[in-house]
Amino acid sequence: KNQVEQSPQSLIILEGKNCTLQCNYTVSPFSNLRWYKQDTGRGPVSLTIMTFSENTKSNGRYTATLDADTKQSSLHITASQLSDSASYICVVSAKYKLSFGAGTTVTVRA
Amino acid sequence: NAGVTQTPKFQVLKTGQSMTLQCAQDMNHNSMYWYRQDPGMGLRLIYYSASEGTTDKGEVPNGYNVSRLNKREFSLRLESAAPSQTSVYFCASSEGHGTGGTEAFFGQGTRLTVV
Repeated sequence: KNQVEQSPQSLIILEGKNCTLQCNYTVSPFSNLRWYKQDTGRGPVSLTIMTFSENTKSNGRYTATLDADTKQSSLHITASQLSDSASYICVVSAKYKLSFGAGTTVTVRA
Repeated sequence: NAGVTQTPKFQVLKTGQSMTLQCAQDMNHNSMYWYRQDPGMGLRLIYYSASEGTTDKGEVPNGYNVSRLNKREFSLRLESAAPSQTSVYFCASSEGHGTGGTEAFFGQGTRLTVV
């Protein structure tokens, strides 16, 4: 059973709209959580990193939240652009092991 | 900076053939990894090398071998390819020891089809 579950599996939004992606994990002991963006045909690229003590972190139009008590994280995309079309992967680190979610595919339409 | 470079980008093999996927990084990272990515699944670790001269099995090592040729290069070999090995393969590197705690930088991937 995957220790990192992401939802939804995919979503379609109109350009300029906001969306939120969810990540639930059971990985323990928790070290940090990263959100990666993977463009089609490319390798994943890190967007944000969240440690145990952090609740919110922003990177431009991307805002990640973390609730370490409920083991949930979200990635909010504000004012989406066509270039936001990609797969977003939640990656949870437990000391010396990375656990990857299956990703959420976001399609932004004009 | 090139970052992490993988070759080839695409490959089609017949069942039973062998091949080596090449990976090189120019960031002077200690640790390097090979992952495979299949539809609907997260990236799964095949092998990793925490430092030059060491390699260890990951989550799905069967059917693969690796060589950490030097600090820059980490190759993945399929000795006898099987259709179940059809996947997209990613090489990654990171500064720190092991796979946790530090950012992993990924190559562009190798799309392998075994027929």
